Amino acid sequence: DQQVKQNSPSLSVQEGRISILNCDYTNSMFDYFLWYKKYPAEGPTFLISISSIKDKNEDGRFTVFLNKSAKHLSLHIVPSQPGDSAVYFCASLSNFGNEKLTFGTGTRLTIIP
Amino acid sequence: EAQVTQNPRYLITVTGKKLTVTCSQNMNHEYMSWYRQDPGLGLRQIYYSMNVEVTDKGDVPEGYKVSRKEKRNFPLILESPSPNQTSLYFCASSPRWDIATNEKLFFGSGTQLSVL
Repeated sequence: DQQVKQNSPSLSVQEGRISILNCDYTNSMFDYFLWYKKYPAEGPTFLISISSIKDKNEDGRFTVFLNKSAKHLSLHIVPSQPGDSAVYFCASLSNFGNEKLTFGTGTRLTIIP
Repeated sequence: EAQVTQNPRYLITVTGKKLTVTCSQNMNHEYMSWYRQDPGLGLRQIYYSMNVEVTDKGDVPEGYKVSRKEKRNFPLILESPSPNQTSLYFCASSPRWDIATNEKLFFGSGTQLSVL
C-alpha cells in the first residue's frame, strides 16, 4: 500500500522554464512533508520542507505547495537549471509518535539545455 | 568532514551466504536508519535505531537484522540473502528524531547489492 505516490516517474523540462513535481498522499495523519533530491551514485539530500499549518514554503528557486484537502503537494523549481537534473523524492511524516519518513516512488527530472 | 559512510559500495553475492553492510557516522547522531530503494517503490525503511541498544522494525524488516552497540555504527546483516534482496541500500542518520529536526537526515552514498 503506497501511502505516498509520485505518479510521474520522469519529467523533462527546458532550461529556464518551470519544473513542477507532484506528490499525493493518502494518510491524513501525515502533517509534515519534505522533498529530497538524489544525484546518481549519491545518497538523497534534503531540499525543502513544509508543515501542514502552512500552504506554501519558499527557498530561493524552490517552492513547495501543500493542498491538505486534496492531500497533494507539489515542488516548483523556477527557473530550472541543468544542475537540477536528479531524482526527487517526496516524503511524509506523522507527528503522532511514528518516527519514520514515508517516501514516495521518486520522479526523475531532466533539464534540457 | 561530517559524513555517513557505508561499505561496501558494490557487493555481489550468492543466495544464502551471510553478509554485513557497515554504516558509520561521525556526527554523534542518536538516530540511524536503513532504507532500500527499488524501482517503482521508492525508499522503504528496513530498520531504525533511536539510540544505542534501541532498534525497531521499519516497513520491510523481513530477512534483515541490525545492531546498535555503539552510537556511531549501525550494521545491516543479511543472514541468508535471497535474490529479492537485490537492491540499493542507504544508511542515514539524524541528530534526533522529531518534527523540528527531521530534515537533518544525512544519507550515505549507498550500497548496491546483487544476490545471485
